[in-house]
Amino acid sequence: DAMVIQNPRYQVTQFGKPVTLSCSQTLNHNVMYWYQQKSSQAPKLLFHYYDKDFNNEADTPDNFQSRRPNTSFCFLDIRSPGLGDAAMYLCATSRDGTGQGRTDTQYFGPGTRLTVL
Amino acid sequence: TQLLEQSPQFLSIQEGENLTVYCNSSSVFSSLQWYRQEPGEGPVLLVTVVTGGEVKKLKRLTFQFGDARKDSSLHITAAQPGDTGLYLCAGASYNTDKLIFGTGTRLQVFP
Repeated sequence: DAMVIQNPRYQVTQFGKPVTLSCSQTLNHNVMYWYQQKSSQAPKLLFHYYDKDFNNEADTPDNFQSRRPNTSFCFLDIRSPGLGDAAMYLCATSRDGTGQGRTDTQYFGPGTRLTVL
Repeated sequence: TQLLEQSPQFLSIQEGENLTVYCNSSSVFSSLQWYRQEPGEGPVLLVTVVTGGEVKKLKRLTFQFGDARKDSSLHITAAQPGDTGLYLCAGASYNTDKLIFGTGTRLQVFP
């Protein structure tokens, strides 16, 4: 049974045309993460939500925004995609995160591969 | 800044060979997770190690967490083509809710 679902699996957009990627989870986890992964590299964290609290990474461009309207859903908005934003975008969840010595697992979705023309 | 270095970066071996992947840091982690990722898919968790010196086995895969919780290793015995993929270690920090990912090891096992 799918636990972290990402839609679409493949997204093609034009340079500068806004795009939204979707993530949903059936685990009722508190924390949701968005990562960007380029070819054969490790995932790079863009931001995460602990419940409704948004945590942005310092080096995440302003071009990337996120929304979490409820526990189950989280969206990644790319306002003006550039060629350098072509990548795999991964959503992950964890029950309570890994801070303060907790050891919760992060569960990843299958990813959305974004192509920018 | 916490960093996790993985070695080797690339590994191409024949079916049946043994291999070890290393994950090293100067930082202490509360736990360390190993993932395998196949092309076009998200990372899939293999194991989480928590206690310094802990050893966990998953069929032909053996995972060890260093005594000081700064490093880890993954040993695969008698590798098979199905083991092919990108192996990622990821450390959990005491102070944040995020994982620090290693640089990754891409493994190719030829029949």
